[in-house]
Amino acid sequence: KAGVTQTPRYLIKTRGQQVTLSCSPISGHRSVSWYQQTPGQGLQFLFEYFSETQRNKGNFPGRFSGRQFSNSRSEMNVSTLELGDSALYLCASRRVAGEARGANVLTFGAGSRLTVL
Amino acid sequence: DAKTTQPTSMDCAEGRAANLPCNHSTISGNEYVYWYRQIHSQGPQYIIHGLKNNETNEMASLIITEDRKSSTLILPHATLRDTAVYYCIVRPAGNQFYFGTGTSLTVIP
Repeated sequence: KAGVTQTPRYLIKTRGQQVTLSCSPISGHRSVSWYQQTPGQGLQFLFEYFSETQRNKGNFPGRFSGRQFSNSRSEMNVSTLELGDSALYLCASRRVAGEARGANVLTFGAGSRLTVL
Repeated sequence: DAKTTQPTSMDCAEGRAANLPCNHSTISGNEYVYWYRQIHSQGPQYIIHGLKNNETNEMASLIITEDRKSSTLILPHATLRDTAVYYCIVRPAGNQFYFGTGTSLTVIP
């Protein structure tokens, strides 16, 4: 069973540009969550998508957005990049089937490491 | 959301049991305790979770106190590959996961 796949793994952008990151969840997983990880702030929740709808959102500015497609694949976009957006962006998927054992365990991808110059 | 408190760092001798504590004194009745770990620069990895009973799997054991205000993750025979940051998360049913800063565990040869 394939894991969570994130692309690209590494990318370098300059300030003011925008970036789009992609996440393919595990087959059968309907929820995709995005996290930002920086040395200073740790692992911070960005947003979660389920059934193509944003269900939860963390405390990030509107420059951070996302979407989910009908096949559960998700993309996140960061516009007008700032130096502080340099981070490891992690995607995680889960089945979402009530609280049955294991149904809400998050499985993470390897991440996309963004460097903003 | 219930908050968790973990020690910033811990050391453990290789081959010994690693006991990682977590305090969640404001936990509610429907909130689960999850443990994840993250090895440097990789995505976090699920370890174990529980509601009120102790749990054990091939990786670890989770001991939850009777009042559910604290828990302990036990790695029975720590190896060098267990060196990682360990996150204790309290998650309300139907809600998202919030990761704190975790405990940095160093397994010493």
